[in-house]
Amino acid sequence: QSVLTQPPSASGTPGQRVTISCSGSSSNIENNYVYWYQQLPGMAPKLLIYSNNQRPSGVPDRFSSSKSGASASLAISGLRSEDEADYYCAAWDDSLSGVVFGGGTQLTVL
Amino acid sequence: QVQLQESGPGLVKASETLSLTCAVSGYPISRGYYWGWIRQPPGKGLEWIGTIYHSGSTFYNPSLKSRVTISMDTSKNQFSLSLSSVTAADTAVYYCVRHGTVVTTVRFDCWGQGILVTVSS
Repeated sequence: QSVLTQPPSASGTPGQRVTISCSGSSSNIENNYVYWYQQLPGMAPKLLIYSNNQRPSGVPDRFSSSKSGASASLAISGLRSEDEADYYCAAWDDSLSGVVFGGGTQLTVL
Repeated sequence: QVQLQESGPGLVKASETLSLTCAVSGYPISRGYYWGWIRQPPGKGLEWIGTIYHSGSTFYNPSLKSRVTISMDTSKNQFSLSLSSVTAADTAVYYCVRHGTVVTTVRFDCWGQGILVTVSS
């Protein structure tokens, strides 16, 4: 049971916009930054979004994120086949004094 | 370009201690960043194990804290993970990561390729 809650799966067709939610609490998401990671099949995860809504260099602006209260969401617009991956949200948890992850969302591009 | 490379045995017997090392190139681990370990059981999600700073400060996942030690050798530019009393539940791909400049940020911006460690009975 992960501290952060994500839907186990999501899907969309090429060109569509999809969103992935991440739900937490006041000890993590509400009072700390949210981060998103993309894990392509067979690869190590990659930082996708940091500090709630910032993209590292090289990450397309098709990827965006927002936070409201104790929840966050990742949006992918103009969906492409290469976006098929697992996506994880993460945050620092003040109560646990540690890092917590969501359980991950497997995105399928139909 | 910062690169991280995990090394260690791929097979560990149950009840023994898992030991891994992460060699860092392209950046001195004694400068500014925290460094950590994350694991991923086969077919499952990510789990943070712990993080270390060159000052010696460590932060551990409460669920693993009693069994985990993370240490650092700045002269070799590497850091290590030790996990004692392993069971089959510790079978996972273990990643070493650069954590970020502030421990409460979860900015894992560099990852090793990962090493699969299997615990055998």
